Amino acid sequence: EIVLTQSPATLSLSPGERATLSCRASQSVSSYLAWYQQKPGQAPRLLIYDASNRATGIPARFSGSGSGTDFTLTISSLEPEDFAIYYCQQRRNWPLTFGGGTKVEIK
Amino acid sequence: EVQLLESGGGLVQPGGSLRLSCAASGFTFTSYDMSWVRQAPGKGLEWVSGISGSGATTYYADSVKGRFTISRDNSKNMLYLQMNSLRAEDTAVYYCAKDLGGGWYIFDYWGQGTLVTVSS
Repeated sequence: EIVLTQSPATLSLSPGERATLSCRASQSVSSYLAWYQQKPGQAPRLLIYDASNRATGIPARFSGSGSGTDFTLTISSLEPEDFAIYYCQQRRNWPLTFGGGTKVEIK
Repeated sequence: EVQLLESGGGLVQPGGSLRLSCAASGFTFTSYDMSWVRQAPGKGLEWVSGISGSGATTYYADSVKGRFTISRDNSKNMLYLQMNSLRAEDTAVYYCAKDLGGGWYIFDYWGQGTLVTVSS
């Protein structure tokens, strides 16, 4: 099973600041990595798929990069609605796995 | 508009069974793989099971293999998860999720979830 490790666990930032979230895989997942956003009491929302492709309707301030084992989700300038938990997910191998999440909180 | 509506959750005793349903609308159901993803209270996401558009191919997480069965009825646009031999660690919100396309197992739409509580 591919283990995805997300860091940091919590990121404390102010609106307008840049957020950089990391996801590291225990073995190569090529570019088969997605990012999701989840707010309290809501279902997850797809942000990025295949490492760098923004999903439909996702603002340009969200971007993804990386390949192999190291991936980054960047939010260029945090908006109030961006404070949430972010998860990465790999689809390279069965079983599909998610990272443990990074909480982006207001500083 | 894509809509996924789960039902069937509730309180069940350890060792018991429960069947979850997901009613899908707003897209050509048979053309898309579907999955169940769960989230234990206060915890992260865990993929549980997936099924191809035709229903011919199924996939399971090791934690549920042999106990859970995923199925679909394409004539009714319905997805199911039969859960047997339930354990306390199966307590979670269960989401049904639609594949982005091509059997890629990227989840572009999610239901609102249904809570399963396994407790005596």
